[in-house]
Amino acid sequence: EVRLVESGGGLVKPGGSLRLSCAASGFTFSDFGLNWVRQAPGKGLQWVSSITSTSNYIYYGDSVRGRFTTSRDNARNSLYLQMNSLRADDTAVYYCARRMIYGNNAFDIWGRGTMVTVSS
Amino acid sequence: QSVVAHPPSVSGTPGQSITMSCSGSSSNIGSNAVNWYQQIPGTAPKLLMYNDNRRPSGVPARFSGSRSGTSASLAISGLQSEDEADYYCAAWDDSLKGPVFGGGTKVTVL
Repeated sequence: EVRLVESGGGLVKPGGSLRLSCAASGFTFSDFGLNWVRQAPGKGLQWVSSITSTSNYIYYGDSVRGRFTTSRDNARNSLYLQMNSLRADDTAVYYCARRMIYGNNAFDIWGRGTMVTVSS
Repeated sequence: QSVVAHPPSVSGTPGQSITMSCSGSSSNIGSNAVNWYQQIPGTAPKLLMYNDNRRPSGVPARFSGSRSGTSASLAISGLQSEDEADYYCAAWDDSLKGPVFGGGTKVTVL
């Protein structure tokens, strides 16, 4: 079964840091680009970051650029999101999502998400 | 860079047809394919439509998509109770170098 499982969420104080992980299984991890997408409580989806299959290109949304860092370890079938200088408006469910190879940037597999709460 | 979904919510009875749209700009919908996601509350989004009008395996044919200019539409014909969900469009934005999501349309089946 093709699967993505996020972990690492939790409660953190403003200005703090957190590292999210996304473990993949059921497919050739190194063939696919991956993304982080978040959803604040009661709000819509917001793209956070993307990374290509070989990590040669990494992009960030305007609201996280300079604070968040995306990386991957193809040997461990894992994707990571290092989040620093966290703010209250970073509070959200964070999903990792797989980018289809021939789908024009469509995300065909999503994890269940991990909740990040930034509060004092 | 923004994509606006409309209407924010729509309702219908079983068997009816409904349509929702997204309006963007030349940097996103105007130059890149649109993808649609369905999200049942409390669950992760699911890819519903890609490349404007292609359905992934398992998505019923009652869902159809189209794109024209800087707008895109998703139609559901023969509405069913399990279609009650939030629907999001998304398109790659050439300026952002990432996808922009519309604000979502909430579908209620009466």
